[in-house]
Amino acid sequence: ILNVEQSPQSLHVQEGDSTNFTCSFPSSNFYALHWYRWETAKSPEALFVMTLNGDEKKKGRISATLNTKEGYSYLYIKGSQPEDSATYLCASQTGANNLFFGTGTRLTVIP
Amino acid sequence: ETGVTQTPRHLVMGMTNKKSLKCEQHLGHNAMYWYKQSAKKPLELMFVYSLEERVENNSVPSRFSPECPNSSHLFLHLHTLQPEDSALYLCASSQDAVVIAERVGELFFGEGSRLTVL
Repeated sequence: ILNVEQSPQSLHVQEGDSTNFTCSFPSSNFYALHWYRWETAKSPEALFVMTLNGDEKKKGRISATLNTKEGYSYLYIKGSQPEDSATYLCASQTGANNLFFGTGTRLTVIP
Repeated sequence: ETGVTQTPRHLVMGMTNKKSLKCEQHLGHNAMYWYKQSAKKPLELMFVYSLEERVENNSVPSRFSPECPNSSHLFLHLHTLQPEDSALYLCASSQDAVVIAERVGELFFGEGSRLTVL
């Protein structure tokens, strides 16, 4: 079992604020890092899948970076909106070809 | 029509009951997965099927029995469950099984089946 940690566990931000959270994972046997967005009562949806050290991906106001050498990834949300409220999950894919998920960061954007 | 559909969305069962969870994917994917999420724990992989063959079984108790009759359907048969098995069971699919192809592909999840065992 791989120890994937996400922080913070939860946070509240005001609409319009930018925010970021962290995913840390063991750097050995690393293959890929996944980010998913999970709204209440819906299904988790993939945001990014990243493989290369230094990789940075962007989708609208959301972006993510990856550092495979030190074993962390950041997810950034610029100008948070109420519809960004969700749980953000990261998962580390290992050379053993399994996805190990963190417990998520629960974001609440206050209008 | 959503890509991955799970039924039922909610299930309450006694410890002596036998029930099944169903998952159907309309994405033409080759791999399907069962994940379990217990309260305040991360998603935990239970089973992986690739081209209808089980390729991963993460030490799941035998009271959980998966079935994959074709690449579009996946079942989880439940019998003599315990109250601690109460959880959200998520089905997912991907183009190819990460376990087999070593390809980096995202998972497409269903909305889950919330199981309560009394």
